[in-house]
Parts: sequence; structure tokens; C-alpha cells
Amino acid sequence: AQKVTQAQTEISVVEKEDVTLDCVYETRDTTYYLFWYKQPPSGELVFLIRRNSFDEQNEISGRYSWNFQKSTSSFNFTITASQVVDSAVYFCALSEAWDNDMRFGAGTRLTVKP
Amino acid sequence: EPEVTQTPSHQVTQMGQEVILRCVPISNHLYFYWYRQILGQKVEFLVSFYNNEISEKSEIFDDQFSVERPDGSNFTLKIRSTKLEDSAMYFCASFTSKGLVSYNEQFFGPGTRLTVL
Repeated sequence: AQKVTQAQTEISVVEKEDVTLDCVYETRDTTYYLFWYKQPPSGELVFLIRRNSFDEQNEISGRYSWNFQKSTSSFNFTITASQVVDSAVYFCALSEAWDNDMRFGAGTRLTVKP
Repeated sequence: EPEVTQTPSHQVTQMGQEVILRCVPISNHLYFYWYRQILGQKVEFLVSFYNNEISEKSEIFDDQFSVERPDGSNFTLKIRSTKLEDSAMYFCASFTSKGLVSYNEQFFGPGTRLTVL
């Protein structure tokens, strides 16, 4: 069974601090996909990244970076030089290759204070 | 850019009433999904739909729920007799392909907030 754990319920930082959101997953499949979504106060789900299990390269997109480590079943997300607009709930999710049904973690609420 | 649309954005209903939530997936997508998010909680998978039938459903998706694609463009979620605990945001999503050849993320609609009084 697939499972995603986001142990950090809430994180609060001051603007310009770096922050890392943790995600640990469980799956029995060898092929799977990992996702991060941002949910701002307006409620929509904003896609940030998708990673497949065969691609362990870390990725950087502007102030965002992702660290995928299969050895520890983790897919952590770092925001560098955080901004107030980064305040949102961030969800990590997993889908297994045979089916694209996504399983979400509980989410981490990030608050960035000015 | 193509997008998934959902109507209405907010639906208020009385307990016991039937509601239909509507979604228009991206036109060339083949796989359709409904997810639910109770306020303050995580997003939960409800059901997936392919080739005019349910391909998988979660334990949440009981006999009170049904889905259909009535006209080749809309994808609907019906709740027959709403309960207070059905109050949630309901997200529709679509996907172009399945399994190992899928290189695109699921596209989520903006959601319908259902409030059951």
C-alpha cells in the first residue's frame, strides 16, 4: 500500500530564510511518481513538480529545489530565500505506475512572516 | 493553456438532498478523477474513471456516490443523499495516459466547495 508522511504540520519562518519541507513515502512498486503541490489560501492545487522513481537527479527551479533520495524514501522540498507569497499548505503525493491515483500526505502549512 | 474547469465553485445544500458536481476535463485526456478535501485535512482520492467505467474507487466512495460522463465532455460526481460530513472541497482531475507512458502530471480543477447544512 502506498503512503506519504509529512511529519511537519506547521512551519513558520521569517522572510528570506531557507526552509525545507520533508516528505517520506512508502510503496511496494519499483516504478512510481512523486509530486509536490502548493495550496494557497484561495484553495486551488498548484502543481510544482513531478518526479519518477528512475530519476534521482535533484532539481532546481528558481528558489525551489527538490532532493529525491530513494535510499531513505524521501522527497524533500526546499525554498530558498522564502517570501511572504510562499505562505501556503504544501502537499507531497505519490502515485504508483500501474495506476495514477494519487495519495497525498497530510500537508505542511508554511507561514512566512515579513 | 488547456485547463480543467469545475462548476459550481460553491454549492450549499440541505442534508439529504442530492447534489451533482460538474467537471469539464481537458479535451484529449482519457482518465478522470475525483478527490475530496475536508477543510484543514489532506486531499483524499475518491474515484478514477476510464473508458466510461470506474477503474478504482476508495473506501470513501460508497453507494451514495456515483460518477458518469454523460456527453463526452462533462464528468460528474453525484451524491445521492448528502450528509453533514460530505462538506468538503471536491477536486476533479484529468490525465492524458496511464502507467509507464504517462509523462504528464494530473491536472486539477479549481475545486467545488460543498457545504451541507
